[in-house]
Order: sequence, then structure tokens, then C-alpha cells
Amino acid sequence: GESVGLHLPTLSVQEGDNSIINCAYSNSASDYFIWYKQESGKGPQFIIDIRSNMDKRQGQRVTVLLNKTVKHLSLQIAATQPGDSAVYFCAENPRKGAGNMLTFGGGTRLMVKP
Amino acid sequence: EAGVTQFPSHSVIEKGQTVTLRCDPISGHDNLYWYRRVMGKEIKFLLHFVKESKQDESGMPNNRFLAERTGGTYSTLKVQPAELEDSGVYFCASSQGGTYNSPLHFGNGTRLTVT
Repeated sequence: GESVGLHLPTLSVQEGDNSIINCAYSNSASDYFIWYKQESGKGPQFIIDIRSNMDKRQGQRVTVLLNKTVKHLSLQIAATQPGDSAVYFCAENPRKGAGNMLTFGGGTRLMVKP
Repeated sequence: EAGVTQFPSHSVIEKGQTVTLRCDPISGHDNLYWYRRVMGKEIKFLLHFVKESKQDESGMPNNRFLAERTGGTYSTLKVQPAELEDSGVYFCASSQGGTYNSPLHFGNGTRLTVT
């Protein structure tokens, strides 16, 4: 897949456990953050987003936490399933309101063991 | 609705040749973006169209890359002449609005290999 040649940190979890994927972002001016999931051979797929005026947002089985003090973003996946196995990217928008010119992190590979 | 489609899915060319990548955004999406991931690096922004106009092309690496979006529908990205360091995966994405609450929808990418 697209990750060949790119060394990715890997998180291995047991099916049914909760997963936490962390991301440190770089620009203190960023006001919008997104998590993407990328499966092999596919493009990044939107999971959940959060604006800088919030510190937590929940979706279906996923929660994003934002800590602006330390510029840290995390994605929590509840009851992880084999279908959650993928590479997860955080992305930030450093240009306030100026379109989706995102800065992506390097990605974390999530492996779910049955 | 049909998603963002990209063609071709793979392209292998020799250094010095020309390649043209095509992207068909989701119907009705005025905003179209090109991103790429070259080997060992993160996904990087290349440029942004609003309809047929280039809104921001600050991520384009050099003048060997030319993007167009005639008529504000599909877009092409031409690399001429291709160099070895252009190898990577080129993603197109589209969105209805410009930013918040209008997330990007990505295509599956074109894997470009320059030999």
C-alpha cells in the first residue's frame, strides 16, 4: 500500500478493547483538526473533526480529545473491531477558515488482533 | 452519491516523460484539492481550486507541475518532465464548502512510479 517506505508507529490491540491513538500537532494557530482513516489501496476517509473552541467531541464509537495547552490530539476508538485496522492520520488546518489546506501527521498503524 | 474518482490508479513512466492524472470530484463540490505523499514523507497539500479558479497553489513543488480545472468540473495534474523524486501517491479531494463542517472526501489516489 501507500505506506511502503514510510516507517509508521504501530498500535496493536485486542478485538473488543479500546484504542487510543495520539498525535502532536505543530501549529498553535491551527483551529480545526481532523482524524482520517486510511485502508490499504484507498484514500483517507474522514472519521471525526473538532474545532479549537472544543476539547472533546464524540461520534459513533469514536471520541476526539484536544489539548491546546500541549498541542495534543487523541482519537479513542471504543470496542475496537477488526475492520478498524488501518492507518490513522491526524490533520490540522493552520489557515483559519481558509479552506481545507491541511497539514497531516505521519500516521499510526492500528492492528486489531482477533 | 459517487465518490471522488481518480484515474489512473497506477502509472509507471520513465524519467523525463509526461504524465497526466485526472480527478473527478463529487458532483456539486466546488472545492477541489490535490495532495501527494512521496516516499517516506507525510501527505502534503499541493493546491486548491474553487470552481475553475486556483485559490492556493502554494504547495506545488515546482513549475514541472501544472494543474487545471477547466469548466470547474474535473481536474488534471500534469507532471512534465517527470523526475524520480515525483514518485508517490497523488490524492485528489473535494468538499462542498471551504472548511469547517465541510470535510474533505478523498479519492483512492494515483500511485506514480518514475523509473
